[in-house]
Amino acid sequence: ETGVTQTPRHLVMGMTNKKSLKCEQHLGHNAMYWYKQSAKKPLELMFVYSLEERVENNSVPSRFSPECPNSSHLFLHLHTLQPEDSALYLCASSQETGVQETQYFGPGTRLLVL
Amino acid sequence: AQSVAQPEDQVNVAEGNPLTVKCTYSVSGNPYLFWYVQYPNRGLQFLLKYITGDNLVKGSYGFEAEFNKSQTSFHLKKPSALVSDSALYFCAVDSGGYQKVTFGTGTKLQVIP
Repeated sequence: ETGVTQTPRHLVMGMTNKKSLKCEQHLGHNAMYWYKQSAKKPLELMFVYSLEERVENNSVPSRFSPECPNSSHLFLHLHTLQPEDSALYLCASSQETGVQETQYFGPGTRLLVL
Repeated sequence: AQSVAQPEDQVNVAEGNPLTVKCTYSVSGNPYLFWYVQYPNRGLQFLLKYITGDNLVKGSYGFEAEFNKSQTSFHLKKPSALVSDSALYFCAVDSGGYQKVTFGTGTKLQVIP
């Protein structure tokens, strides 16, 4: 295991539901990330947090709302999603956000939007 | 803008044979290059990275990659493939720009017994 856990591992939700994804890292890292992984596409970086402050938001729709209450926890709040939002959502952490940093990934949450 | 290309969706190799998974990149500055592997129902795991120094980088599970600046490539290699190496492999590049790290589309490696 990489030291990054994600819950739930699978989630099915309707377009009108509200749900949250949770990520926790046990590595003492200062940076955390949310990625979206869709088939045959590159990983899409959604959000980056460094020391609990958002430092990157790659034009993600407002129906995705991140929250980082401390350096060990990261949430992704979901509401009024669309079927095309169905994907694997990966959380990652790294010591810092520098160019040389290795990222450590969680197992992901497989999301299906009906 | 930085980008990375993995030209092969899938690579098939017989067990015991050498394997190569290709990656080319495009950056405006110095590249920092990574390989990650994803096993079924798992997140990505770090294999190796090139920061500076020797062009041949050795990583986990017997994998290595060669940085070739003139060809802007960073191909992943292993001398003798194992069935357990079957997985999805991602190349990534970071040049310190606003894009942060950019991942390729992934290459599925299938090692045939």
